[in-house]
Amino acid sequence: AQSVTQLDSHVSVSEGTPVLLRCNYSSSYSPSLFWYVQHPNKGLQLLLKYTSAATLVKGINGFEAEFKKSETSFHLTKPSAHMSDAAEYFCVVSDPMNYGGSQGNLIFGKGTKLSVKP
Amino acid sequence: NAGVTQTPKFRVLKTGQSMTLLCAQDMNHEYMYWYRQDPGMGLRLIHYSVGEGTTAKGEVPDGYNVSRLKKQNFLLGLESAAPSQTSVYFCASTPFSGWRQPQHFGDGTRLSIL
Repeated sequence: AQSVTQLDSHVSVSEGTPVLLRCNYSSSYSPSLFWYVQHPNKGLQLLLKYTSAATLVKGINGFEAEFKKSETSFHLTKPSAHMSDAAEYFCVVSDPMNYGGSQGNLIFGKGTKLSVKP
Repeated sequence: NAGVTQTPKFRVLKTGQSMTLLCAQDMNHEYMYWYRQDPGMGLRLIHYSVGEGTTAKGEVPDGYNVSRLKKQNFLLGLESAAPSQTSVYFCASTPFSGWRQPQHFGDGTRLSIL
């Protein structure tokens, strides 16, 4: 069965230091992978997506993620954190084998809350 | 371009009351979804629709009904609200060939059942 594991429920960094949010997945096929960000009292906004092209994906606001099939990982990074990055981040897998099943087509991780200290 | 719009944004209900949440999208997307978000649980799929007039059950469908009478609208109904349905509800949509496409989300409806 497909699954997504976000390895940290909460990450705290200082402003200006690097950010690493970890995500591992399991999939029976070549999946699409997404990172979404959710600011307080807001909906989910797409940060970046991997859809079988380049394995290093660049997103908005300086974030990027690298798809590593051998490690089944899709970690999110940013070289220098900003106060405005404080939010919750979701790693999401889309698997065509699951499309139309009871989970629709997306499998969500449980989220990682990022705190940024001044 | 409004994208995905959810109404209402907030609502408080008493146990046993009924209500309908409305989701409207202006992107001509075929697929629409209703999720609930609870602390530490991520998003869980309630129901979804692959086109006008069609609906299907998701991971947590019990206690909810849906309808997709028009392509742009997806309604979520609670017939007899229970405290366990206190949650934040999100609607999303995606184009027909959606499995490689990201979903577009509304800003959510915060629902409290007393």
